[in-house]
Amino acid sequence: DAGVIQSPRHEVTEMGQEVTLRCKPISGHDYLFWYRQTMMRGLELLIYFNNNVPIDDSGMPEDRFSAKMPNASFSTLKIQPSEPRDSAVYFCASSSTSLGVYEQYFGPGTRLTVT
Amino acid sequence: DAKTTQPTSMDCAEGRAANLPCNHSTISGNEYVYWYRQIHSQGPQYIIHGLKNNETNEMASLIITEDRKSSTLILPHATLRDTAVYYCIVGPFSSGSARQLTFGSGTQLTVLP
Repeated sequence: DAGVIQSPRHEVTEMGQEVTLRCKPISGHDYLFWYRQTMMRGLELLIYFNNNVPIDDSGMPEDRFSAKMPNASFSTLKIQPSEPRDSAVYFCASSSTSLGVYEQYFGPGTRLTVT
Repeated sequence: DAKTTQPTSMDCAEGRAANLPCNHSTISGNEYVYWYRQIHSQGPQYIIHGLKNNETNEMASLIITEDRKSSTLILPHATLRDTAVYYCIVGPFSSGSARQLTFGSGTQLTVLP
């Protein structure tokens, strides 16, 4: 298995622009998580899906952030409009019910820089 | 979830075993011990987990004390690529809702040539 795939790996954009991050989970996994990591705040869970349905989005910072999972093999995290404070590494992770909620497999991340 | 305590940093010679300790004295009966690591500029990587029996996989071994208040992650033959921050986490196997992986400060393991 190729593991969790994320694109792009790096994104540099100007404040106010729309940013879309993409994730392909491991085939057969029914949980998908979006995290953000910064030096100041560490690893933060933004939202997670179970069977393509958003379950908990309480970590989404504000309305500028939105996430979708149209099918079991694809998810997007969109930021519109982007701000410099959104600069971080965004990770997607997947898991399955049979593995338990703490056994998660992470993608390589997308390093976002907003200038 | 129970709190964990790990040393801030450790060094290990390449080819030798790396033994990383973790204290979790308030662990409850249904909580598992999980280990992750994060190599610089990469995503966190799941290593292993266990409840009370010792566990081994292709990456590492996990030794949990009989009272379950502490555990040790063992990398049997450390390589330079094992240099990373290692995190010990305690939590239930399943939950009514998925839990955020909360990494503490972890142990910075440096494998020396």
